[in-house]
Amino acid sequence: GESVGLHLPTLSVQEGDNSIINCAYSNSASDYFIWYKQESGKGPQFIIDIRSNMDKRQGQRVTVLLNKTVKHLSLQIAATQPGDSAVYFCAERRGNTDKLIFGTGTRLQVFP
Amino acid sequence: GAVVSQHPSWVICKSGTSVKIECRSLDFQATTMFWYRQFPKQSLMLMATSNEGSKATYEQGVEKDKFLINHASLTLSTLTVTSAHPEDSSFYICSATGDGSPLHFGNGTRLTVT
Repeated sequence: GESVGLHLPTLSVQEGDNSIINCAYSNSASDYFIWYKQESGKGPQFIIDIRSNMDKRQGQRVTVLLNKTVKHLSLQIAATQPGDSAVYFCAERRGNTDKLIFGTGTRLQVFP
Repeated sequence: GAVVSQHPSWVICKSGTSVKIECRSLDFQATTMFWYRQFPKQSLMLMATSNEGSKATYEQGVEKDKFLINHASLTLSTLTVTSAHPEDSSFYICSATGDGSPLHFGNGTRLTVT
């Protein structure tokens, strides 16, 4: 069925480098996207969101880019820190509901 | 910020018994709550959508008679896993919304069925 998927299951980066986590979505009707961070044994933690009428949004050390033409979403983390190590999920909201469909996740590993 | 609390954080039960998991919104009224299940190293799979005062809407493939959802108030939804079996062992996560902001998630409940 339809899904939101990720290109890389695991991403290893050196502390201080920038990280880019990618996500492909399949439903062109999705109008809202969110990136979540999930640490082991915990629920997802909101990082940043973006609506479909935007192509870029910046937060503190994070930037989300949306390319609707190719249905691609990315999360950029600047100056990656050990505390950024976690699994990152993109999620899409379809239509006028609050129901979120999650992607498969990318594990980010930060090494010194 | 908004907080969603789940209880218990982990539970072990014997096969055939039922387990109830609570999800509470602590500082806002949650008109809608969602229940997800997550197996190890996998993504969150939506099980059902729960609106306060009405019957839950289940996703395809989720047995409504096995996973009973009650959303009797604007701050509490419960998920009861009935006649649990080892294959029901999973991480169950709830989320809630009601104030127009992004979904707030609980910290999950680890269910182990022996």
